[in-house]
Amino acid sequence: KQEVTQIPAALSVPEGENLVLNCSFTDSAIYNLQWFRQDPGKGLTSLLLIQSSQREQTSGRLNASLDKSSGRSTLYIAASQPGDSATYLCAVRGGTYKYIFGTGTRLKVLA
Amino acid sequence: NAGVMQNPRHLVRRRGQEARLRCSPMKGHSHVYWYRQLPEEGLKFMVYLQKENIIDESGMPKERFSAEFPKEGPSILRIQQVVRGDSAAYFCASSPTSGGEDTQYFGPGTRLTVL
Repeated sequence: KQEVTQIPAALSVPEGENLVLNCSFTDSAIYNLQWFRQDPGKGLTSLLLIQSSQREQTSGRLNASLDKSSGRSTLYIAASQPGDSATYLCAVRGGTYKYIFGTGTRLKVLA
Repeated sequence: NAGVMQNPRHLVRRRGQEARLRCSPMKGHSHVYWYRQLPEEGLKFMVYLQKENIIDESGMPKERFSAEFPKEGPSILRIQQVVRGDSAAYFCASSPTSGGEDTQYFGPGTRLTVL
């Protein structure tokens, strides 16, 4: 059974710092992995999608990597800004059509 | 191409009433998925539907919950006789196929509050 864990559960950093969010999953047989952003009381914003054949994806200040063999993904945020404050969710799509979500990392970037 | 649309965005019901949540998938998408996010928890899969068919409802509570995706119109998630524990955000996603490399596009969610 696929399980997705995100560490840390919460993170508070000063503005300008580079940071890394971690996601681990127990079953390496995945089709893709997706990182989302969720603002309080809001919906999901897709940030990056990595297919199983890819090692990383980049969008602006965000970079996501995928290591299927070790069951890990990282989301790297460069030069963090207060506007980056949100909950970041990692979701894995395995042998079925379901996405399995982690419980997220709550990020607060202090001005 | 409009994204996945859900309405209402916020729904308040009293215990014992019915809640109907609607989801219009992206144009050209015939696969719909419902997820529920309970307070302080991650999103969890509830049900997967194609037009006029329920493919997998393994994540749906056995009682009071039902879902449909008719040939015409939006997908409906129906909760009968709501209880306080049903208060959650309900997200709908759609995809063009069920293929493994297809991503699911998520709607903005419906936040259900049961008084």
